[in-house]
Amino acid sequence: GDSVTQMEGPVTLSEEAFLTINCTYTATGYPSLFWYVQYPGEGLQLLLKATKADDKGSNKGFEATYRKETTSFHLEKGSVQVSDSAVYFCALSDGNNQGGKLIFGQGTELSVKP
Amino acid sequence: DTEVTQTPKHLVMGMTNKKSLKCEQHMGHRAMYWYKQKAKKPPELMFVYSYEKLSINESVPSRFSPECPNSSLLNLHLHALQPEDSALYLCASSQDPLGTAADTQYFGPGTRLTVL
Repeated sequence: GDSVTQMEGPVTLSEEAFLTINCTYTATGYPSLFWYVQYPGEGLQLLLKATKADDKGSNKGFEATYRKETTSFHLEKGSVQVSDSAVYFCALSDGNNQGGKLIFGQGTELSVKP
Repeated sequence: DTEVTQTPKHLVMGMTNKKSLKCEQHMGHRAMYWYKQKAKKPPELMFVYSYEKLSINESVPSRFSPECPNSSLLNLHLHALQPEDSALYLCASSQDPLGTAADTQYFGPGTRLTVL
């Protein structure tokens, strides 16, 4: 079945450091890929998405490119801030399940120190 | 506007109580979802409603009873819960009830439930 694998956390960075959170997926069809962010005590917020191969999603300085050849959707940011401290979830939707079931990775906790 | 609202924000209940969680969206979305999330884990899908009809029940115990009174509202009725049901309950909505791959789910802030 479909699955998403994220790098394990927690990831601890200093402010202004470069961020990469790895995400790889397994899917039988042509999935869409998503990054959601969850700040402490809050719900999930859509950070960015890509719906086809080679698409780049971007938002708030974060970017991720849908790489079909490596089945990856790695999240990057050039310069992190303390306010980026959160849990990041990679997810896919393959459209094969009526109701649009999202398949989530395990989440990666990011802590940014001043 | 991509806002999904949930009430209450926090809920504490005993194992014999009956309570309800409420979710509302005004984006014209025709699919709505309930998820359960334990600390430091990804959300787990519980129920999906498409066009106000239950389309997916992920083998959730009957002590959780969903209801979709109209296209904007989703309720989750709780009865005789167990302490292990304590979690963050998230509601989400999306535009396409047939669940095409490009359909995007938007989440509410959640209700943090504690069962004593």
